Amino acid sequence: SQELEQSPQSLIVQEGKNLTINCTSSKTLYGLYWYKQKYGEGLIFLMMLQKGGEEKSHEKITAKLDEKKQQSSLHITASQPSHAGIYLCGALQSGGSNYKLTFGKGTLLTVNP
Amino acid sequence: KAGVTQTPRYLIKTRGQQVTLSCSPISGHRSVSWYQQTPGQGLQFLFEYFSETQRNKGNFPGRFSGRQFSNSRSEMNVSTLELGDSALYLCASSPRLAGYSSSYEQYFGPGTRLTVT
Repeated sequence: SQELEQSPQSLIVQEGKNLTINCTSSKTLYGLYWYKQKYGEGLIFLMMLQKGGEEKSHEKITAKLDEKKQQSSLHITASQPSHAGIYLCGALQSGGSNYKLTFGKGTLLTVNP
Repeated sequence: KAGVTQTPRYLIKTRGQQVTLSCSPISGHRSVSWYQQTPGQGLQFLFEYFSETQRNKGNFPGRFSGRQFSNSRSEMNVSTLELGDSALYLCASSPRLAGYSSSYEQYFGPGTRLTVT
């Protein structure tokens, strides 16, 4: 089965600093999803990447899927306290005709003012 | 459009009881998926319903079941509750069924926090 490893597990940065979160898959990724979650709440969809080398940005968050399609990175520029939360990567996994979205364990981001 | 709603938000049950959770998807979305989130196991897929039929399934025991109604609203039932069932249960909706489109964006509800004592 496909496993998604996220690193680091947690991250504490000072407001204004840049940071990167990585998501590595044991298999080729055919669609990689990034979500953000506030503790104990639902997930907020950030972006989806499909093609090797694809890069998408939303406000100060940029995500990229590498050429070999086994790793994705999420980069936040000039972090703000509003960026704090848990970032999760997810990938669609298939087993015959059964499909499911599997997720990494998440990266907890703390941004200190 | 209104987002995904889940009721109730919090629930406390006793071991051995059963529980039913409810989810209303975004208007027009026909796919509803359920997930269990715990600190130890993370976010795990339970099942996905599309047009009132369970189409995809995770690796959970038969005590976990669900159904979907003609208006796409979905319910999840857990019978014979165990302490380990304490978790945040998340529902997500999508306009498409997993595996049938290259674009499969899911939109999550706020979750139901279930505590089993």
